Amino acid sequence: QVHLVESGGGVVQPGRSLRLSCAASGFTFSRHGMHWVRQTPGKGLEWLTLIWFDGSNKYYADSVKGRFTISRDNSKDTLFLEMNSLRAEDTAVYFCARDRAAVLDIWGQGTLVTVSS
Amino acid sequence: ETVLTQSPATLSVSPGESATLSCRASQSVSSNLVWYQQKPGQAPRLLIYGASTRASGIPARFSGSGSGTEFTLTISSLQSEDFAFYFCQQYNNWPRTFGQGTKLEIK
Repeated sequence: QVHLVESGGGVVQPGRSLRLSCAASGFTFSRHGMHWVRQTPGKGLEWLTLIWFDGSNKYYADSVKGRFTISRDNSKDTLFLEMNSLRAEDTAVYFCARDRAAVLDIWGQGTLVTVSS
Repeated sequence: ETVLTQSPATLSVSPGESATLSCRASQSVSSNLVWYQQKPGQAPRLLIYGASTRASGIPARFSGSGSGTEFTLTISSLQSEDFAFYFCQQYNNWPRTFGQGTKLEIK
């Protein structure tokens, strides 16, 4: 069964960093691009970043470009999101999602990140 | 960026009836549009991709149509489990963008 499980969320102070992980199982992780998307009650769903199956290309939303970095370890079937210089407006539930022909077809349950002093 | 506007924000429908949800794009996204269903505390679930193709395991009562800038999700013979939030998302242009969602509630 295809499964994505995010972890690493929590409460962090403004300006600090946090690293999220997404563990994949039930499919060949190294064959798929992977996305991070976040959701807030106010702004809804916001696409953040995509990494190609082999890590060779990465794309970012302007809102996180230069602050967030996506990466992956195909030997461990794991996706990462390094978040730096966090702001209150980064408070959200963060989802990882599998890419299949440009469609985000499988999503994890999400991990909550709260940026607060 | 491509703005997706969903309407209505809330739709109240009785079980057994049909529901029609709309998604309008600020510029053409061809047929590169998906619909998701989301229930509270859960991840989005892919319903429709390519504007009209049902994802694996999705019941036939869910159907999508449209191309360019106007899209529709129709749910016929509503079941209790269909009452949820529905989002559209385009994957034609960068950045990928989502609609703000429609809440489908029981009348």
